[in-house]
Amino acid sequence: NAGVTQTPKFQVLKTGQSMTLQCAQDMNHEYMSWYRQDPGMGLRLIHYSVGAGITDQGEVPNGYNVSRSTTEDFPLRLLSAAPSQTSVYFCASSSQQGGTEAFFGQGTRLTVV
Amino acid sequence: AQSVTQPDIHITVSEGASLELRCNYSYGATPYLFWYVQSPGQGLQLLLKYFSGDTLVQGIKGFEAEFKRSQSSFNLRKPSVHWSDAAEYFCAVGDTGFQKLVFGTGTRLLVSP
Repeated sequence: NAGVTQTPKFQVLKTGQSMTLQCAQDMNHEYMSWYRQDPGMGLRLIHYSVGAGITDQGEVPNGYNVSRSTTEDFPLRLLSAAPSQTSVYFCASSSQQGGTEAFFGQGTRLTVV
Repeated sequence: AQSVTQPDIHITVSEGASLELRCNYSYGATPYLFWYVQSPGQGLQLLLKYFSGDTLVQGIKGFEAEFKRSQSSFNLRKPSVHWSDAAEYFCAVGDTGFQKLVFGTGTRLLVSP
């Protein structure tokens, strides 16, 4: 059981480039989320999804797009990378059943130069 | 709006000494509370969670936390710290769906010999 898998683990982009961070889970969880982690700020929610075809914005959505075509996958797209998007990105999934917690991937460290 | 405060940015504890990490939250209803641990370069691992019931919850690695509604606190404790406990610790509050977690800014634990 792999849990939550994020690819790539590291990425360097030039300002203005676009890319997609991949996230896949094999636990059949309904909920998936993307967070970014910045020093001294903890983790902040970018976008989340409560099921296939349903997404919504979190606290810091600007500059990012998401879609959820399947239960398993929840990619995060950077449309035009900016240095302010240099961060560590975490994907998480959880079940809608009460009493469960969010499971996190290992993270993607993104640097925009 | 939900918020989580971890007032200590970093704490140094001697190996074998007791530990308490502070967490205060702001939430309109009964909160779902979590403590996660992050080792350098790694993802987040759940230590323990509180949803309802007994206000003293036990977690993995010998950690426990106590929910105090009157103080809006959910402090993490361990009676005897090991060098391997050195990591960053995050307190988080979630809503009933668990897909939207609000994190504190984290407390970095250093363990001295």
